[in-house]
Amino acid sequence: AQKVTQAQTEISVVEKEDVTLDCVYETRDTTYYLFWYKQPPSGELVFLIRRNSFDEQNEISGRYSWNFQKSTSSFNFTITASQVVDSAVYFCALSAAGDSSYKLIFGSGTRLLVRP
Amino acid sequence: SQTIHQWPATLVQPVGSPLSLECTVEGTSNPNLYWYRQAAGRGLQLLFYSVGIGQISSEVPQNLSASRPQDRQFILSSKKLLLSDSGFYLCAWKGGTWGTQYFGPGTRLLVL
Repeated sequence: AQKVTQAQTEISVVEKEDVTLDCVYETRDTTYYLFWYKQPPSGELVFLIRRNSFDEQNEISGRYSWNFQKSTSSFNFTITASQVVDSAVYFCALSAAGDSSYKLIFGSGTRLLVRP
Repeated sequence: SQTIHQWPATLVQPVGSPLSLECTVEGTSNPNLYWYRQAAGRGLQLLFYSVGIGQISSEVPQNLSASRPQDRQFILSSKKLLLSDSGFYLCAWKGGTWGTQYFGPGTRLLVL
């Protein structure tokens, strides 16, 4: 069975602090995809990143960075110098390549509050 | 570029009334389409997905049904709404080979 765990229900930081959102996944598939989505107060899910299981390179995009470690089944997301606009719920998700539906298994989400 | 639309944006319906939510995608052909539901303060649950016209797979037995009458149209329906059907309904499409899903703006449904 596949499962995504985001143990941090809510995180509150002061603007300009760095913050890391944790994601741990479980899957028996050898090929899979991991995702992060952002859900601002408006509700729409915004795609942030996809990582393939065979590519363990970490990625940086501006103030965002992602650390993928297969050894610990983790795909953590770090925001550097957080801003108020980063306040949102962030979801980590998993999809198995062998599943023709490509359905996403979501974690329960982490609510990030960035205070000015 | 591809865009995905959902309507209505907000809906308040009495218990026992019917429901029809519509999702359409532009700028792509033969996408996989998905319906998710997010209950208040909760995560997202996949309800239905479709890999082609007339092909519907249900993930969770429930009071809802889905249909795909056209390649880029996905409809979520109910004959009689329950209080537990309240939530935020998101439609998504998948393009390409890597499985990335892109979401619509969602419909907030409140059943009273």
